This record gives sequence, C-alpha cells and structure tokens, in this order.
Amino acid sequence: GNSVTQMEGPVTLSEEAFLTINCTYTATGYPSLFWYVQYPGEGLQLLLKATKADDKGSNKGFEATYRKETTSFHLEKGSVQVSDSAVYFCALKVSAGNNRKLIWGLGTSLAVNP
Amino acid sequence: DAGITQSPRHKVTETGTPVTLRCHQTENHRYMYWYRQDPGHGLRLIHYSYGVKDTDKGEVSDGYSVSRSKTEDFLLTLESATSSQTSVYFCAIVDASGNEQFFGPGTRLTVL
Repeated sequence: GNSVTQMEGPVTLSEEAFLTINCTYTATGYPSLFWYVQYPGEGLQLLLKATKADDKGSNKGFEATYRKETTSFHLEKGSVQVSDSAVYFCALKVSAGNNRKLIWGLGTSLAVNP
Repeated sequence: DAGITQSPRHKVTETGTPVTLRCHQTENHRYMYWYRQDPGHGLRLIHYSYGVKDTDKGEVSDGYSVSRSKTEDFLLTLESATSSQTSVYFCAIVDASGNEQFFGPGTRLTVL
C-alpha cells in the first residue's frame, strides 16, 4: 500500500543551523509529493511540492528533491530561523477516480532557538 | 486564502451528547475533507466529499457521520460524543488543479 515515513522529532536547532528532515515513501504508480507546515495554533499550509521524479520543490529557503531511486523527499534548509519553528508534514498524493486523498507522515516538530 | 472557515473554533461537551462541526468554503471547490489531529498520530482522514451528497469514509470514520447538502458546507457530526473523540478537527479543500489542499483554522473539541 501507500505510506509515508518521516523522521521522529522533536528536532531542536540553533538559529542559522542546517536543517534536514527525512521523508521516505512507498507508493504504487507515480505519486506527487508534498511538504506542509503547521505553525502553532494554525492549520496546515503547503510549503512545497514536486510532481515527478527529479523535480525540486522550493519555497521560503526550504528545498526538497523527489528521488524515485531512493523513494525519498527530504526537506532541507541551509540556515533556519526562529520563525521556522513549526511542525512539518510530508505527504503523497495518489489520485484514483473520486479519491484525491493525501497520505500523511506523522509530522516532525522543529524548535529553533535564538 | 481559500476562504475556509470552521465553526465553532472551540467546544467543550459531555460524553453522550451530539456534536456538529461545520466547514464552510466560499470558492465552490468540489472536494472537501475532515481530518482529526492527535499527538503521535499525525493527521487522520475521517470522511471526504467529492460533490453535493457524495461522500465516502476515511480511515477513522467510526462514530462520525457527514453531510453535504450544499457545495459550500460540509458538516461533521458526532452522534454520541466519547472522550476518545477529543481532538483538533481540520477541514480541507482541494484546489481546482487538484494539487494542493487548503486547510481551515481547526476546531478544538474536548469531550468530558
């Protein structure tokens, strides 16, 4: 079946540190891959996406590359800020008929200290 | 902003009482979803809708029902609330491209 596995948190970093949050997936067919971010007290919002192999999604200094050979979509940022403190979710989409569900990872909490 | 609102935003109720949560969208999107979010479980899909009167179950649908009589409203009902249904509930829609889900602000439900 389809599933997403992401690294467990919490992750605690100092400001300006390098961030990697690992995400691997299993899927039939050719899924689209997403990273969502949830700031405290808010709903989730799309951070970046990639729809085919070797695509790189990027936004707000975050990047992730769709690696079909390793079934991975790791999230990276070169220099984190306190404002990046949030929960990050990896997800994949497999569309079939009326089903456009996202399959979600469990989320990784990031805390960035000044 | 996908124009999604949820009501109420917070609710405390007692075990055995019925509860209805409302999701309202202003942009005529076809697909709507109800999730619950719990520590250690991430997001879990309860029910979804792919049109007026067209709904289907998600992975944790037991104890929940939904209705969609108008495009803009998707209602989630707990017929008889239990303490295990204490959670944060999120509504989401899929945009016209089918590539992005937009989320509402959430409803925090506490069942005592």
